[in-house]
Amino acid sequence: GQNIDQPTEMTATEGAIVQINCTYQTSGFNGLFWYQQHAGEAPTFLSYNVLDGLEEKGRFSSFLSRSKGYSYLLLKELQMKDSASYLCAVGDSNYQLIWGAGTKLIIKP
Amino acid sequence: IAGITQAPTSQILAAGRRMTLRCTQDMRHNAMYWYRQDLGLGLRLIHYSNTAGTTGKGEVPDGYSVSRANTDDFPLTLASAVPSQTSVYFCASSDSPGQGTDTQYFGPGTRLTVL
Repeated sequence: GQNIDQPTEMTATEGAIVQINCTYQTSGFNGLFWYQQHAGEAPTFLSYNVLDGLEEKGRFSSFLSRSKGYSYLLLKELQMKDSASYLCAVGDSNYQLIWGAGTKLIIKP
Repeated sequence: IAGITQAPTSQILAAGRRMTLRCTQDMRHNAMYWYRQDLGLGLRLIHYSNTAGTTGKGEVPDGYSVSRANTDDFPLTLASAVPSQTSVYFCASSDSPGQGTDTQYFGPGTRLTVL
């Protein structure tokens, strides 16, 4: 079957760095997405990886290793507004997104 | 530009009633999707449409139907609501399905409670 695994919850301190991991097993691979979802709101797009390596976008970076079925989202210089859930999603062989349950990130001052 | 709008924002519904959740996008995207989001579970695809006039079943289609008469609108109908359909429903759209996996953009969601 298809499976996306992420930690349920993580806690970090304002100003620090946090890495949120995602492992996947899917029928085919057509890209990996990270979305941010604040409580009570819609998911919003953060990053997309289709080739191995690191994609950097401001304070956020995303890494992909297709051979390991592994990705991480790195958040630097954490701010209180980064408190949210982070969703990992993989495009399968039909170009449909398979979603992880999300990682709730709690930022403490 | 509004992006994607959904209506209603929230609804409490008696079991057995029929309900249509509305979704409209103004980005001229080809593909549209309906997901449900339940606590502890990832977003699960209910139905999708790759282009106007076509629809397909997702992971959890039972009890739901959709139509895609034009590019902008993609309503989701619950023919006879059951309590297990209590969830948050998100509509999403993307530009070019089937040519790589395109970024999906989400509406604000409809919170549905079936009693």
